[in-house]
Amino acid sequence: DAGITQSPRHKVTETGTPVTLRCHQTENHRYMYWYRQDPGHGLRLIHYSYGVKDTDKGEVSDGYSVSRSKTEDFLLTLESATSSQTSVYFCAIGGGNTGELFFGEGSRLTVL
Amino acid sequence: DAKTTQPPSMDCAEGRAANLPCNHSTISGNEYVYWYRQIHSQGPQYIIHGLKNNETNEMASLIITEDRKSSTLILPHATLRDTAVYYCIVRRSGNTPLVFGKGTRLSVIA
Repeated sequence: DAGITQSPRHKVTETGTPVTLRCHQTENHRYMYWYRQDPGHGLRLIHYSYGVKDTDKGEVSDGYSVSRSKTEDFLLTLESATSSQTSVYFCAIGGGNTGELFFGEGSRLTVL
Repeated sequence: DAKTTQPPSMDCAEGRAANLPCNHSTISGNEYVYWYRQIHSQGPQYIIHGLKNNETNEMASLIITEDRKSSTLILPHATLRDTAVYYCIVRRSGNTPLVFGKGTRLSVIA
């Protein structure tokens, strides 16, 4: 298994509170991604990173920010969580020329 | 990147070949076809990818038509553990991230 760890794996929070999800990798991959998955939708790309301090927006970036201060960590922050952000969040590493992604186990976030 | 069209669901009998179609009629010459699958609530898993030649690995075969406007993923002997959502994605090589659609839900039936 690719060395990807997501934390926390489960979180329940209230509307308006800040939330940070962490993705940690031990594979030294340049590219890292955050996706969300909701019933009736496939995976939707939130943000991605192609290197330290280099990030870009995906399809559904509104309400989310990211940071990558070192290769191994990619943080996803919800500054003020809303109920519409209740979802399962997946981190992935890889891509590049091969296009092969390795996914983490997911973080289930519930915003009440 | 080109969009893909997949049937929302398919059934396959256990032990038979599962043939999952994907239409990508607007594919460009430098775009690859990727297949991933997602079993229940796990993260997606890479299966195979190709540009224009047919490809085979230990999991599956990928057949791309000569005009590259469609492809078929073949699981030669489907098992119950192959029940999953299968995603067909078209992507350029390099920095472009993978964009997933809704995929095909394959149910393998005993």
